Amino acid sequence: DTVLTQSPALAVSPGERVSISCRASEGVNSYMHWYQQKPGQQPKLLIYKASNLASGVPARFSGSGSGTDFTLTIDPVEADDTATYFCQQSWNDYTFGAGTKLELK
Amino acid sequence: EVLLQQSGAELVRPGSSVKISCKASGYTFTDYYMHWVKQRPEQGLVWIGRINPANGNTVYAEKFKSKATLTADKSSNTAYMQLSSLTSEDTATYFCTRRITWGGFDGWGQGVMVTVSS
Repeated sequence: DTVLTQSPALAVSPGERVSISCRASEGVNSYMHWYQQKPGQQPKLLIYKASNLASGVPARFSGSGSGTDFTLTIDPVEADDTATYFCQQSWNDYTFGAGTKLELK
Repeated sequence: EVLLQQSGAELVRPGSSVKISCKASGYTFTDYYMHWVKQRPEQGLVWIGRINPANGNTVYAEKFKSKATLTADKSSNTAYMQLSSLTSEDTATYFCTRRITWGGFDGWGQGVMVTVSS
């Protein structure tokens, strides 16, 4: 399985820029996608194929990367962005990262 | 608007089976593969498998090949997942989700909480 590694948690202040990283154990081309999940809710697609903004997602969210290293950036961060963010690859079947919990200071 | 409406929470006995449903609306059911994902409390997301509603073809993750059975009913636009020989390890929330081009998942059911307990 392709393992996706994310940092477990981050804390930022509203208005700041935050970058959330995801590293794949093997290359996944650009087949990396990002989700936001709030407690008790289903995941929500933010970014597909590394850098494409999903429908209805604010332009504050952006994605970059290819191969094994990917980044989700939120700029500026808003209070409503408190959530867990998951990366997911679809190059070798489907696997998800363990998630990065974003907290606001 | 894509809507995936899942059935309600289940409390089931160890060793039994459970079948949960996922009714799709807002798009052509047979145009998109339906996938299923498991999430245990405070843990990440795990892909279970997928079904092509157009012809019933299925693909499962290795660890779910003897655990999950996916089916779909085109007449009612509903996908189903049956989980068998349930143990405490199967206690989790299960999501159905629609795969889009490039392999992301753009529509998700609200999740079904399955609790395995005697």
